[in-house]
Amino acid sequence: EAGVTQFPSHSVIEKGQTVTLRCDPISGHDNLYWYRRVMGKEIKFLLHFVKESKQDESGMPNNRFLAERTGGTYSTLKVQPAELEDSGVYFCASNRRGQETQYFGPGTRLLVL
Amino acid sequence: DQQVKQNSPSLSVQEGRISILNCDYTNSMFDYFLWYKKYPAEGPTFLISISSIKDKNEDGRFTVFLNKSAKHLSLHIVPSQPGDSAVYFCATREGSNYKLTFGKGTLLTVNP
Repeated sequence: EAGVTQFPSHSVIEKGQTVTLRCDPISGHDNLYWYRRVMGKEIKFLLHFVKESKQDESGMPNNRFLAERTGGTYSTLKVQPAELEDSGVYFCASNRRGQETQYFGPGTRLLVL
Repeated sequence: DQQVKQNSPSLSVQEGRISILNCDYTNSMFDYFLWYKKYPAEGPTFLISISSIKDKNEDGRFTVFLNKSAKHLSLHIVPSQPGDSAVYFCATREGSNYKLTFGKGTLLTVNP
């Protein structure tokens, strides 16, 4: 079974630009999560999809962040316009309904200059 | 305000000895606890978990202990191996809320 995949692995952009991160969950996993780790800090929850519906987006920092999961398969997280403080590692995770463990992807390392 | 604290940023142990990683939490509503291991440039990998109805869970060399009254969680690795060197994150969740709340992590180094 393939794991959670994320693309790109790294992204370097300038302040004010737009970046779109993609996550492909494990096949059959209805739940999809986005987390972020800013350097030196803890991994923080951003939002949770159940299939294509946003179940909880309480961790989204502001309206510059837009997450979608059209069709309930892969998800995208767009940052527009990017700010310096958006730099960090963005992790995606997934699991089945009722499953306690979340399975994480390798992350996308975003650097905003 | 951090709800999950891992007060030791790093820990160094000798191969074959026991590694003990600690985690404290403040929210008494947390009822499920997980440990993840993370290697550089990789995502966190699930290691072991425990429900609040238990006080101990074992899986091979890894044992997690939960002290609900103290709001304290610990991970014991015995015997420690050099391949265990990684950052260990404590994570918790509350009831039907799926989101995980993480600590900052502890870097474990196991010396040969």
